[in-house]
Amino acid sequence: KAGVTQTPRYLIKTRGQQVTLSCSPISGHRSVSWYQQTPGQGLQFLFEYFSETQRNKGNFPGRFSGRQFSNSRSEMNVSTLELGDSALYLCASRRSGQGGHDTQYFGPGTRLTVL
Amino acid sequence: SQQGEEDPQALSIQEGENATMNCSYKTSINNLQWYRQNSGRGLVHLILIRSNEREKHSGRLRVTLDTSKKSSSLLITASRAADTASYFCATRYFGNEKLTFGTGTRLTIIP
Repeated sequence: KAGVTQTPRYLIKTRGQQVTLSCSPISGHRSVSWYQQTPGQGLQFLFEYFSETQRNKGNFPGRFSGRQFSNSRSEMNVSTLELGDSALYLCASRRSGQGGHDTQYFGPGTRLTVL
Repeated sequence: SQQGEEDPQALSIQEGENATMNCSYKTSINNLQWYRQNSGRGLVHLILIRSNEREKHSGRLRVTLDTSKKSSSLLITASRAADTASYFCATRYFGNEKLTFGTGTRLTIIP
């Protein structure tokens, strides 16, 4: 079974631009979560989607948004990029998203650099 | 904000020795999970321990959970060079599906 895939793997943007990152979950997984990892703040939860609905949201500004499609694939968008948005963005999927005991599988991440 | 703190922040040991990492968290949890990350890449799930469990084993890994102290430890026995990585604990609250990660321990195994 293929793992979680993320595209692109690396991205360089300039301040003020916007970016869209894509995540394909493991087949059969309906929950997709996004995390931001930076040296200063560590791993921070962005949001979670389940069956095309945002179920949880972290403490990030409205410039960060996401969506999930009917095939469970997910995208996240960051508008008006700031230097501080430079980070590794990780996507994770799990099967049911309910009950809390199922394993979350992570993709390799997208390394975003904002210049 | 992060739920927990991990201790130590960095650990270097000789190959073959055991490595112990600790994680503390702040509020009641549904479960606690440990992940490994190699050099800024994706996280690999190692083990999950539920709040009603006290100890769990998986291969060379042993995890303990003390809910009264709100802490957990990860023991890696007979360490190998390939165990060099960052290790994170992550907690999941009751009624909240998100994972909250600790600050991580950077483990270096010296051949």
